[in-house]
Amino acid sequence: GQSLEQPSEVTAVEGAIVQINCTYQTSGFYGLSWYQQHDGGAPTFLSYNALDGLEETGRFSSFLSRSDSYGYLLLQELQMKDSASYFCAVRDNYGQNFVFGPGTRLSVLP
Amino acid sequence: DAGVIQSPRHEVTEMGQEVTLRCKPISGHNSLFWYRQTMMRGLELLIYFNNNVPIDDSGMPEDRFSAKMPNASFSTLKIQPSEPRDSAVYFCASSGLAGGQETQYFGPGTRLLVL
Repeated sequence: GQSLEQPSEVTAVEGAIVQINCTYQTSGFYGLSWYQQHDGGAPTFLSYNALDGLEETGRFSSFLSRSDSYGYLLLQELQMKDSASYFCAVRDNYGQNFVFGPGTRLSVLP
Repeated sequence: DAGVIQSPRHEVTEMGQEVTLRCKPISGHNSLFWYRQTMMRGLELLIYFNNNVPIDDSGMPEDRFSAKMPNASFSTLKIQPSEPRDSAVYFCASSGLAGGQETQYFGPGTRLLVL
C-alpha cells in the first residue's frame, strides 16, 4: 500500500523556526513535494525534492532522505500568514500515482 | 496566464441529480488531475490524464463518477446520480515539467453540496 504520515498539528510563535516531518511508504518513489493550503483556498506548491539533501527557497527549506523514506519542511522566521495546512506528497510508480499526506495544521501565534 | 480555471465555484444540488464540474488547465501543461478533499479523507486523487489520455482512474470512487478530457484545454468530472456523501471540494490541477521539477498548479476548487 501507499501511506504518508505527518503530525496533525504544530504550533509556534512569530519569528520562530518550525519543522514539519513526513514519512512515506510507497511502492516506488519519484519525488517528494510540499504544498501549502490556507483555509478556504487551494493547495499551492512550495518545494520539490527528487534527490537527497536540502532545497532552500527563501524562508522555506525542504529536506529528503530516500534511504529513510523521510523528509521535512523547515519554515524560518515564521509570520502570521504562514498559518495554514501543509501537505507532503509523493509521486510513485514512475509518476503514475500521486499521494498526499493527511496534512499538518500550523498555527503561528503572536 | 489565468491559472487553472474551474467552474462552477459552488454547487448545491439534490440527491439523485447529475453534477458536472469543469476545468481548464494552464495552457501548455500536459497533465491534468482531479482531486476530492474532505475533512475525513483529506486530499484524494480521483483521476489523472496525460496528453488528454486517462492514465490512472483507480481513485474514482465508483461508477457514478466519470471524467473526460476531449482536448488539451478542457476536462469534466461528472457525478450521476449524486449522493450526499459526494459533498466535498473538488480540485482540478495541471502540471508540466519545469527545470527538472514537476509542479502541480491547483484551481480554486468547486465546493459541492449534495442535499
